[in-house]
Amino acid sequence: KAGVTQTPRYLIKTRGQQVTLSCSPISGHRSVSWYQQTPGQGLQFLFEYFSETQRNKGNFPGRFSGRQFSNSRSEMNVSTLELGDSALYLCASSLAGGIYEQYFGPGTRLTVT
Amino acid sequence: AQTVTQSQPEMSVQEAETVTLSCTYDTSESDYYLFWYKQPPSRQMILVIRQEAYKQQNATENRFSVNFQKAAKSFSLKISDSQLGDAAMYFCAYRSPLAQGGSEKLVFGKGTKLTVNP
Repeated sequence: KAGVTQTPRYLIKTRGQQVTLSCSPISGHRSVSWYQQTPGQGLQFLFEYFSETQRNKGNFPGRFSGRQFSNSRSEMNVSTLELGDSALYLCASSLAGGIYEQYFGPGTRLTVT
Repeated sequence: AQTVTQSQPEMSVQEAETVTLSCTYDTSESDYYLFWYKQPPSRQMILVIRQEAYKQQNATENRFSVNFQKAAKSFSLKISDSQLGDAAMYFCAYRSPLAQGGSEKLVFGKGTKLTVNP
């Protein structure tokens, strides 16, 4: 079974631009979560989607948004990029509920210049 | 809000020896899940071990075991017979059960960087 895939793996953007990151979950997984990882703040939860609905949202500004499609693939969008948005963005999928683990993708490394 | 604290930013261990990584958490919930994740230098995060709070028995996965002390809100990870491949960042994480309005949201500690010396 294929793992969680994220595209692109690396991205360089300029301040003020917007960016869209993509995540394809493991087949059959309906929950997709996004995390931002930085050296200073560590791993922070952005949002979770389940069956195309946002089920939970972290403490991030409205510039960060996401969506999930009917095939469970998810995208996150960051508008008006700031230098502080430079981070590793991790996507995780799970069967949802119970003690099921989240399977993480390799991440997208976003650099904002 | 739940918080997770890992008080050891870095740890080192000799190959074949045992090391324990500490984790404490704060919550008002009585039921929840706890996890240890490993993130090697390649960056792919993988699950090491999981524990359900209602289970008193400590979880074990091969060389990895936990010491879960619910009253003390402590969840330490013990790695026995350490191997070079165990070198990584280790993250302790907390999740609320869905039945209590939770989601798949994981609350992570800051991590402990484990070095394994040959």
